[in-house]
Amino acid sequence: NAGVTQTPKFQVLKTGQSMTLQCAQDMNHEYMSWYRQDPGMGLRLIHYSVGAGITDQGEVPNGYNVSRSTTEDFPLRLLSAAPSQTSVYFCASTARGPEDGYTFGSGTRLTVV
Amino acid sequence: GDSVTQMEGPVTLSEEAFLTINCTYTATGYPSLFWYVQYPGEGLQLLLKATKADDKGSNKGFEATYRKETTSFHLEKGSVQVSDSAVYFCALNSGGYNKLIFGAGTRLAVHP
Repeated sequence: NAGVTQTPKFQVLKTGQSMTLQCAQDMNHEYMSWYRQDPGMGLRLIHYSVGAGITDQGEVPNGYNVSRSTTEDFPLRLLSAAPSQTSVYFCASTARGPEDGYTFGSGTRLTVV
Repeated sequence: GDSVTQMEGPVTLSEEAFLTINCTYTATGYPSLFWYVQYPGEGLQLLLKATKADDKGSNKGFEATYRKETTSFHLEKGSVQVSDSAVYFCALNSGGYNKLIFGAGTRLAVHP
C-alpha cells in the first residue's frame, strides 16, 4: 500500500543510548519531515528535507540528526537519548510542499528512561 | 513568529449536534490554512485546506472559511457522528517555508 511507513512503532531506550527511527515512503515525494508530538503542544518540526541530499533544521533539532541519501528514506537518529525526548514521532511527506498537504506515518512512540 | 491558537478541549457532544472548533492564527504574509484530523492510534490526515482569503475548504461534511479580517479558520460540522471522535489540529504554512505550524490540537468526543 502506498504511504509513509515508520518503524518501530514502540521503543524504550535508556538514557544515553542511541537509535534510528526509520521512515520510508513509496510515493516519490520530494518533501519529507520529522515532527514530534507532545501533550498540549501540537506537533513541532524537528528536521525536514526538500530532496535527496538536502536537509535543514526545524524548530527543535537539538539531539537529532537526519540524512536523505535517497528520495524514499529519511531516517531520524537520536544521538544520546534523554528523558526529554520521550514523545511520539511522526514522519510526513508531500509531493511539492506543505501546500499540497502532508501524508503522515502512523508514528513511533518513544520512551526514554 | 507565526503561530496557531486553538480552543482547548476536550469538546464533548452528543451525536447529531453542531460542532465548532475555533482556530486563530498569527502570520506574516498570506498563509495557507489547514485542518488535520488524528484518529486514535493513527497519524494525522489532511481534512481540508484553504489557500487564500474567503476560500472555503470542505470535506466529509466539515467546513472552514479563511477569514483574513479576523485571522480565523474555524472548523464546523452540522451534525457530528460518533466516528468523528478524534483530535483536530489547525495548521498554517507561510508561503516559501517548507513546514507546517500546528496548533495544540482539540480533542472531540461524540457520544451516542
